[in-house]
Parts: sequence; structure tokens; C-alpha cells
Amino acid sequence: GNSVTQMEGPVTLSEEAFLTINCTYTATGYPSLFWYVQYPGEGLQLLLKATKADDKGSNKGFEATYRKETTSFHLEKGSVQVSDSAVYFCALSDQRGTDKLIFGQGTTLQVKP
Amino acid sequence: NAGVTQTPKFQVLKTGQSMTLQCAQDMNHEYMSWYRQDPGMGLRLIHYSVGAGITDQGEVPNGYNVSRSTTEDFPLRLLSAAPSQTSVYFCASRITGDYGYTFGSGTRLTVV
Repeated sequence: GNSVTQMEGPVTLSEEAFLTINCTYTATGYPSLFWYVQYPGEGLQLLLKATKADDKGSNKGFEATYRKETTSFHLEKGSVQVSDSAVYFCALSDQRGTDKLIFGQGTTLQVKP
Repeated sequence: NAGVTQTPKFQVLKTGQSMTLQCAQDMNHEYMSWYRQDPGMGLRLIHYSVGAGITDQGEVPNGYNVSRSTTEDFPLRLLSAAPSQTSVYFCASRITGDYGYTFGSGTRLTVV
């Protein structure tokens, strides 16, 4: 079945460091791919999305490119801030009729001043 | 524009009690879903609805009921609470053709 695998955390970085959070997926068909962010004590917020191969989603300095050849959707940011500390979830849409988002386990990012 | 509103934010239940988690959205979204979030397991789909009067089971439906009498509301009922249902519950909604869900802020439920 469809699945999403994220790199395990926690990821600890210093402010202004470069961020990469790896995400790979297994899916049939042509799912849409998403990154959601969850700040402490809050619900998930859609960070960015890509709906077809080679699309690049971007928001708030974060980027991810839908790579069908490597089945990946890695999240990157050139210079992280303390305010980026959160849990990041990679997800794909299951288009087999269940209206289901399939989530990765989540990766905790901690940015230190 | 409130988005997706969940109540209550916190709840403690005794084993065997029943309760309803409320979810309302004001964006006229057709699709609504309930997820539970457990440590190390990401989010798992409990039930979903593609419109008023239509509901279906997700990945982990046992012990939960839903109904969708209006477009705005999608309550989740726990029939007889069990400690295994201790979790954080999220309601989410989206419009047709866009899989980018809007999530509520969650209900943290503890069953003792």
C-alpha cells in the first residue's frame, strides 16, 4: 500500500543553518504531496504542496520538489530561525477513493539561537 | 473566518463513558475528516465524509461513530471510552479538488 517515510528526528540546528528533512514515498498512481507543520500545542498547518512530478512547492522560505524518479519530496530551507522549531509531517494523498492523507511519522526540528 | 473549530480542547473520561467531540467549519468545505495522533505513529484516519449525509470508515474506525447532517458540522462520538482511545484528535476539512486540508487545533483526550 501507499506509505511515507521521513527521516527520524529530532533534528537540532543552529540558527541560520541549512535544513533538509528527507521524505520518500511509495504510491500507485499520481498522488499529491504535502508538508505540514505542527507548532507546540497547535494543530497541523499546511506548509506547502505539489500536485505533479517536478512541481516545486514553496512557502515561508521552505521548498520541496516532487521527484517521481526518486519518489522523494525533501523539505529544505536555506536559513532556519528559532521560530521554525516544530514538528514537520510529510504526507501524500491517497487517491484510491478513501479521501485519506497518509502521513509520515513526523520529524521534530529544534533550532537553537 | 474561524476555519475549523474543535471543542473541547481537553477532556478526561472514565473507561466506559461516552462523549462527543465537536467539529465545525465555516468554509463550506465538502470534505471533512477525523484523525487521531499518537506518539511515533503520525496521524491515522478514523472516519471521513464527502458531503452532508455521507460518511465512511478510515483506517481505525472501531469504537467511534460519526454523522454529517449539515455541511458545517462533523461530530465524532466515542461509544464506550477505552484507555486505548487516549490520544489527540484532529478534525480537518477541504474543498473538492484540493487535497490541502485545513486542520482544527485538536482535542486532547485522556481515558482513565
